[in-house]
Amino acid sequence: EVQLVESGGGLVQPGGSLRLSCAASGFTFSDHYMDWVRQAPGKGLEWVGRIRNEASSYSTEYAASVKDRFTISRDDSKNSMYLQMNSLKTEDTAVYFCGRAGWHGEVTNWGQGALVTVSS
Amino acid sequence: EIVLTQSPGTLSLSPGERATLSCRASQSVTSNFLAWYQQKPGQAPRLLIFDTSRRATGIPDRFSGSGSGTDFTLTISRLEPEDFAVYYCQHYRGSPIFSFGPGTKVEI
Repeated sequence: EVQLVESGGGLVQPGGSLRLSCAASGFTFSDHYMDWVRQAPGKGLEWVGRIRNEASSYSTEYAASVKDRFTISRDDSKNSMYLQMNSLKTEDTAVYFCGRAGWHGEVTNWGQGALVTVSS
Repeated sequence: EIVLTQSPGTLSLSPGERATLSCRASQSVTSNFLAWYQQKPGQAPRLLIFDTSRRATGIPDRFSGSGSGTDFTLTISRLEPEDFAVYYCQHYRGSPIFSFGPGTKVEI
């Protein structure tokens, strides 16, 4: 069974940093592209970014709203993906989901989400 | 960047009725790489349809997707009580930004 578990969420002040982790199991992690998607309270889904696999040179893509502030990385030996968030703003407050991308790029599996609150 | 627009914003229907949800893209979606997700309150989204018309594993056949280019449709043939939720479309290839639509809420 595919499982994705996010951790590392919490309360952080504006301008601060936070690192989310996504632990994967039940599939060959190293084969798959992985995504981060967030959802602000009461709002819709917002795609945050993607990291591809080794065959695609671990390349990354980011939404304009987080580019140059957020960094996605992965450690295939630990079946884990990370989201380093710097220079956080109040508008980054959201539940952050990690997702496994299918062979065409659709998000086939989702974690339960981690809440990040940016507030003073 | 491809911008997705969904309509209507809210769809008020009864169990047993047919639901038709629309997703329109600002430019042609590469190779029809468009997906639909369902989200219920307090839950993660669930993949329903990918590649415009392919049902994900375990999705009942009352859910179907169609369309091409810039216009896509999710149809729920006969609404079950558990289908009342928010539905999002997403494109996921071609453009480096894989945006979601704003969602359609299907309510009783």
